[in-house]
Amino acid sequence: QKEVEQDPGPLSVPEGAIVSLNCTYSNSAFQYFMWYRQYSRKGPELLMYTYSSGNKEDGRFTAQVDKSSKYISLFIRDSQPSDSATYLCAMSAIQAGTALIFGKGTTLSVSS
Amino acid sequence: GAGVSQSPSNKVTEKGKDVELRCDPISGHTALYWYRQSLGQGLEFLIYFQGNSAPDKSGLPSDRFSAERTGGSVSTLTIQRTQQEDSAVYLCASSPDTPEAFFGQGTRLTVV
Repeated sequence: QKEVEQDPGPLSVPEGAIVSLNCTYSNSAFQYFMWYRQYSRKGPELLMYTYSSGNKEDGRFTAQVDKSSKYISLFIRDSQPSDSATYLCAMSAIQAGTALIFGKGTTLSVSS
Repeated sequence: GAGVSQSPSNKVTEKGKDVELRCDPISGHTALYWYRQSLGQGLEFLIYFQGNSAPDKSGLPSDRFSAERTGGSVSTLTIQRTQQEDSAVYLCASSPDTPEAFFGQGTRLTVV
């Protein structure tokens, strides 16, 4: 079992839809959770960062962490064509000094 | 301020040649990471620097791969005797000793 599992998609939705992206993980020591967005031929861009369990909202984006289920989610409200990208989850057990463990990414396509 | 800068953005090399990839991290960031991203794969951790030292080299795939960091800033990833399986996007990230990592645009390496 890989440490971080993420459905690669592709996920296709119409403009304005609510999108739910998810990752599961096996290492209960993970405490720091991130979502990155990666456009084609670009580097990953940090979208959201959360510590431990709970929700965090930033504009149209909401990140949720459920440590009891080892499950994290990213919700995108009112999705736009510009949201079309690959979304990568990443996590870490300690605050610094270790590499992030990434999921393989979910490719999202939002059609107008 | 300036982000993480990587050069070259693209590199085509013949099998068996050596290549050097460069990373300029965000000023003041003490942590620096190299990752590799192959088509359809997630980000594969290669090496982590804290200052000039590399406490974690566990991801380097073979002894053909090496990296150094000088002055706590610029880092160079060297691949000797390149093979076709080395073809990938090589991503550099830096961090101010927090879990969040900020990525460059990557170097797309093609070995022919």
